[in-house]
Amino acid sequence: GAGVSQSPRYKVAKRGQDVALRCDPISGHVSLFWYQQALGQGPEFLTYFQNEAQLDKSGLPSDRFFAERPEGSVSTLKIQRTQQEDSAVYLCASSLGATPYEQYFGPGTRLTVT
Amino acid sequence: AQSVAQPEDQVNVAEGNPLTVKCTYSVSGNPYLFWYVQYPNRGLQFLLKYITGDNLVKGSYGFEAEFNKSQTSFHLKKPSALVSDSALYFCAVRFNTNAGKSTFGDGTTLTVKP
Repeated sequence: GAGVSQSPRYKVAKRGQDVALRCDPISGHVSLFWYQQALGQGPEFLTYFQNEAQLDKSGLPSDRFFAERPEGSVSTLKIQRTQQEDSAVYLCASSLGATPYEQYFGPGTRLTVT
Repeated sequence: AQSVAQPEDQVNVAEGNPLTVKCTYSVSGNPYLFWYVQYPNRGLQFLLKYITGDNLVKGSYGFEAEFNKSQTSFHLKKPSALVSDSALYFCAVRFNTNAGKSTFGDGTTLTVKP
C-alpha cells in the first residue's frame, strides 16, 4: 500500500520567507509526528498529533514553527520568517498509535534557506 | 531527559562476519526501544523493537537486538553480514510516560565489504 508521502521533496527559500511542508500519512494511522534532521545527526522530535489533537509540541524550536492536522489526516508544518538555521530535512512519520507502535517515515523535505 | 547514544559513527565488517551496532540509553521509566535503517535516498525503515517480555527480539532481514536493562543497552546484531546491509542505522527510545516523543541517536554507518 501507499506509504507516507511528503511534499515538496526539496524547497529553497530566501531568508524571511514563509514555507509550508505537507505530510500525507498512511491511511488509518492515528498518530503523526514531525522531526527535524540536521546533516549528520539523528531526527529531532518537533511535534506529535493524535488524530487532530496536537498532544506534544515541546520540540518546536521557536514560535515561528507551527503545525496543524485539522481533519486528523494530512498535516502541514509551517515555518514563518525562515532563518538559515532552519535549513534541514523535515521528516514526517505516522503510526497506528503512540506507544508501542513503530513509526513509518516519509522521504522527507529538504529545506534550504539562503 | 531521555537520551540515546550510539558510540560508533562507523562500523566496518567483512561480508559473512557477525556485526554489532551499539546503542545505550538514559534511564527514566520503562523504555520502548527501536532500531531503524536508512538506505541512501530512502526514508527511515523500521527494523525491530523491544516493548516487553523476551530480551532478545528478532526483526527484519535477519537482524536481532538484545535489551539489557542493567547496562541500559540495546545493541543490534546479525550473525552473518551482507554487503546489502550497508546503510545508516538509528536507535530510538520512547518512554511510556511520554507517549509521543521519540529520541533518536545520531546514527551509525555500517559498511560491509565483500
